[in-house]
Amino acid sequence: AQKITQTQPGMFVQEKEAVTLDCTYDTSDQSYGLFWYKQPSSGEMIFLIYQGSYDEQNATEGRYSLNFQKARKSANLVISASQLGDSAMYFCAMREWQTGANNLFFGTGTRLTVIP
Amino acid sequence: EPEVTQTPSHQVTQMGQEVILRCVPISNHLYFYWYRQILGQKVEFLVSFYNNEISEKSEIFDDQFSVERPDGSNFTLKIRSTKLEDSAMYFCAGSGQGTTTGNQPQHFGDGTRLSIL
Repeated sequence: AQKITQTQPGMFVQEKEAVTLDCTYDTSDQSYGLFWYKQPSSGEMIFLIYQGSYDEQNATEGRYSLNFQKARKSANLVISASQLGDSAMYFCAMREWQTGANNLFFGTGTRLTVIP
Repeated sequence: EPEVTQTPSHQVTQMGQEVILRCVPISNHLYFYWYRQILGQKVEFLVSFYNNEISEKSEIFDDQFSVERPDGSNFTLKIRSTKLEDSAMYFCAGSGQGTTTGNQPQHFGDGTRLSIL
């Protein structure tokens, strides 16, 4: 089974609107972390936001927020007030801390296009 | 803000040749990683390195691959005899000491695009 599933290969959003990018995960660990990364067309991977499995509050970083629903094993990224510069690939990733592993498991990504 | 630096940005190599990809992690990072991303696909974990030794590796990281941190700053990935399927973007990443919940993000370099001819 895939550890991270991103079911939206592509999304479009109007500039200044909010958009939600979906991510579901699969783990039997109690301790894990969920991360979102942005990959612009230039190729670099930019860390956006983190949510820990024990965090009771949803994470927020500026215009990014994470809608964490632990029972559903989902960690959706919400981008508010979209800007043209938000057009990029977005990857959800997980680290299973309980196993002692440090590596990240990535989803297949969602390509977001912001329309002027 | 400190950055992870990777060189070269693009490497073109003949099949069968050895290639070394270089990374200078952020100075206070303790864990180091290599990932690869074949064009159009997801990012895949190759290897993690801690305390001067490999801590984990994936099944992709076979005997053709090796890593080392020879001088305490540079972190290198060597592919001994490259194959066509090694063509990909290779990312170096690093992270600091995490808490028990592992909240340290991994900071990625800009990647090296490896093209095998």
